[in-house]
Amino acid sequence: EIVMTQSPATLSVSPGERATLSCRASQSVSSNLAWYQQKPGQAPRLLIYGASTRATGIPARFGGSGSGTEFTLTISSLQSEDFADYYCQQYNNWPLTFGGGTKVEIK
Amino acid sequence: QVQLVESGGGLVKPGGSLRLSCAASGFSFSDYYMSWIRQAPGKGLEWVSYISSSDSTIYYADSVKGRFTISRDNAKNSLYLQMNSLRAEDTAVYYCARGLARHCSGSNCYFLSWGQGTLVTVSS
Repeated sequence: EIVMTQSPATLSVSPGERATLSCRASQSVSSNLAWYQQKPGQAPRLLIYGASTRATGIPARFGGSGSGTEFTLTISSLQSEDFADYYCQQYNNWPLTFGGGTKVEIK
Repeated sequence: QVQLVESGGGLVKPGGSLRLSCAASGFSFSDYYMSWIRQAPGKGLEWVSYISSSDSTIYYADSVKGRFTISRDNAKNSLYLQMNSLRAEDTAVYYCARGLARHCSGSNCYFLSWGQGTLVTVSS
């Protein structure tokens, strides 16, 4: 099973600042990585797939990069609605696995 | 508009059974693979099970293999999860999620649409 490790667990950022979230895979997943955003009491929402392609309707301030074992989600200028939990998911191998999540909170 | 509505959650004793349902609308259900994904209270996401569009391919997480059974009825636009021998660690919100194609093929095994989830609590 591929283990996905996200860091940091919690990220405190001021509105308008840049946020950088990391996701590491225990073995290469190529570019088969997705990012999801989840707000309290809501279902996850797909942000990024293929490591760097934004899903339909996702603002350009969300950017994904990386391949192999190291991935990054960058939010260029945090808006109030971006404070949430973020999860990465690899889909290169079965079983599908998610990272433990990063909570982006208001500083 | 894609809509996925889960039902069937509730409180069940350890060792008990529960059947979850997911009613799909707003898209051609028979054209997409589906999965169940769960989230324990205050925890992260855990993929549980996958079924291809025609149910020819099914996968389970090791944590539920032999206890849970995924199925679908394309005529009723519905996805199911039969959960037997439930344990306390199965307590979670269970989401059904829709994929991108008939089969998960390695480069498309992520989830565009999710339901709002149904809570399963396993406790004596």
